[in-house]
Amino acid sequence: GQNIDQPTEMTATEGAIVQINCTYQTSGFNGLFWYQQHAGEAPTFLSYNVLDGLEEKGRFSSFLSRSKGYSYLLLKELQMKDSASYLCAVRGNAGKSTFGDGTTLTVKP
Amino acid sequence: ETGVTQTPRHLVMGMTNKKSLKCEQHLGHNAMYWYKQSAKKPLELMFVYSLEERVENNSVPSRFSPECPNSSHLFLHLHTLQPEDSALYLCASSQDLGRRYEQYFGPGTRLTVT
Repeated sequence: GQNIDQPTEMTATEGAIVQINCTYQTSGFNGLFWYQQHAGEAPTFLSYNVLDGLEEKGRFSSFLSRSKGYSYLLLKELQMKDSASYLCAVRGNAGKSTFGDGTTLTVKP
Repeated sequence: ETGVTQTPRHLVMGMTNKKSLKCEQHLGHNAMYWYKQSAKKPLELMFVYSLEERVENNSVPSRFSPECPNSSHLFLHLHTLQPEDSALYLCASSQDLGRRYEQYFGPGTRLTVT
């Protein structure tokens, strides 16, 4: 099975940088996804990592270390609209994705 | 607009009722999913369909019955539900089951069982 761990809540200041960590233990690994979910809305895709290293996409970057079972999502130049829940999800076999509990990020002025 | 629609958006039903949730994707994807999202709990995968065939049933009680008549439509038939089944039910689709394909989620159906 899969076990995914990420912090429950984080708070940061507008304009700052925040790093959201995700650790996982898995019996099958076909990549790691990050999704953003605003309150009352559907999750939306942010990033995908399957090889070790950093993937950069605008203000958002995601890092993966398969040997350590570790990933992080880095958000730069934080904006108020970045306040949301960030979900780490590990893709296993047969299209099965297991999600973490999500990290609720609050951006303050 | 993500290209995945769900109806109804809100549903209140008694434990003896029978109802159905509908999901439609307009993205030309081959895989579709049902998830349950409860308060304080992570997204739980319920069912996975690929090209209209069920490939995953994640130990879901039989009071939830999925149906995939074609690759664009997915239903979740509900009967004799329990109050603990109250949750947000999310439908998602992806291009395929391949590992790199992200999922596109619908807005969800907020279900309350009384």
